[in-house]
Amino acid sequence: KNQVEQSPQSLIILEGKNCTLQCNYTVSPFSNLRWYKQDTGRGPVSLTIMTFSENTKSNGRYTATLDADTKQSSLHITASQLSDSASYICVVSEADSSYKLIFGSGTRLLVRP
Amino acid sequence: NAGVTQTPKFQVLKTGQSMTLQCAQDMNHNSMYWYRQDPGMGLRLIYYSASEGTTDKGEVPNGYNVSRLNKREFSLRLESAAPSQTSVYFCASSWGGRTEAFFGQGTRLTVV
Repeated sequence: KNQVEQSPQSLIILEGKNCTLQCNYTVSPFSNLRWYKQDTGRGPVSLTIMTFSENTKSNGRYTATLDADTKQSSLHITASQLSDSASYICVVSEADSSYKLIFGSGTRLLVRP
Repeated sequence: NAGVTQTPKFQVLKTGQSMTLQCAQDMNHNSMYWYRQDPGMGLRLIYYSASEGTTDKGEVPNGYNVSRLNKREFSLRLESAAPSQTSVYFCASSWGGRTEAFFGQGTRLTVV
């Protein structure tokens, strides 16, 4: 069964610190992997999209990595800010059905002052 | 640009009532989607419309119907609401299946 597992479920860090969120997937065949940020009460907003040929992709203080061989991805947040408090969702697109996205349940990040 | 707009933002229904969730996008996207988000679970696809004039079932279509009214608008209808349909509903749009999806702000629906 195609699945996307994220860890940790929740994380608390101090403002200014770095953190790394993990995503493991079993989706096959694989088309692309996305990271979304979802603020409380809002819809998800795209951070990055990576295909199997891309190892690293950055968007400001967010850097995503992908290892298609081990089916793992990570999202690294540098110099965290209070506004980074949100849920971060890993999403994998199947190659067989371009409209089918498999969503992880997310990591809830809280940045404290 | 408004992006993806959903109405209403909040709704309480009694079991058996019907309602339609509205969604409109102003990005000229071809594809539109309806998802539901439940606590502790990832978003699940209810229905999608790959292009104007087409609709297809997603992972959890039972109890729902959709209409792609035109390229901009994609509505989701609950004919006879059930408590199991209490959820947050998100509409999204994209150029195509493998491209970035843009989400609306969500509709929080409670069925009592």
